[in-house]
Amino acid sequence: DQQVKQNSPSLSVQEGRISILNCDYTNSMFDYFLWYKKYPAEGPTFLISISSIKDKNEDGRFTVFLNKSAKHLSLHIVPSQPGDSAVYFCAARGNSGGSNYKLTFGKGTLLTVNP
Amino acid sequence: GAGVSQSPSNKVTEKGKDVELRCDPISGHTALYWYRQSLGQGLEFLIYFQGNSAPDKSGLPSDRFSAERTGGSVSTLTIQRTQQEDSAVYLCASSLGPRGSYNEQFFGPGTRLTVL
Repeated sequence: DQQVKQNSPSLSVQEGRISILNCDYTNSMFDYFLWYKKYPAEGPTFLISISSIKDKNEDGRFTVFLNKSAKHLSLHIVPSQPGDSAVYFCAARGNSGGSNYKLTFGKGTLLTVNP
Repeated sequence: GAGVSQSPSNKVTEKGKDVELRCDPISGHTALYWYRQSLGQGLEFLIYFQGNSAPDKSGLPSDRFSAERTGGSVSTLTIQRTQQEDSAVYLCASSLGPRGSYNEQFFGPGTRLTVL
């Protein structure tokens, strides 16, 4: 039972345009969401996060939007650059009991930004 | 200075053999996590260590898997009698602590395990 779903395994965009990566979750106990970026042969690196008390968080070219009623979040990258080409993982953390340190990850979306 | 380091970076073994994977967390990080990523899958939580507390082993897939953390620092993940389905990238992460902003997890590069 996948609690965090990234339904697009890949996405290709042109340099300078907007990249939109989507993520859906099923567990209503999740209250903190993160995006990680992963290059080949490297570990994931933290990109941006959002708490469930917010609906938007922005950091430079990266913005995460959260729609709690739809259990959906998205990562927008504007403008996209070739160096953004990587696998992007959506992750979520709950607030149930003492186990709110566990991250539940989606399967990832491979973003390719073409020059 | 570094970040989380893991060794070996690659490990090829034969079915039935035991393997040990090592993780050196960031100095001062009290929380340490092991995940694995099988082909085409997301990262799957395996085990969590926090300070001197009993580890959360709820993600370990079978009793062939075990992990320890010595002196609150280095951790070793051991897989006994490896099976082909154990083939995956094993990732270690550490964080300052378990809660709130301290929970930002920093990942190592992973160990790619291939069981023939």
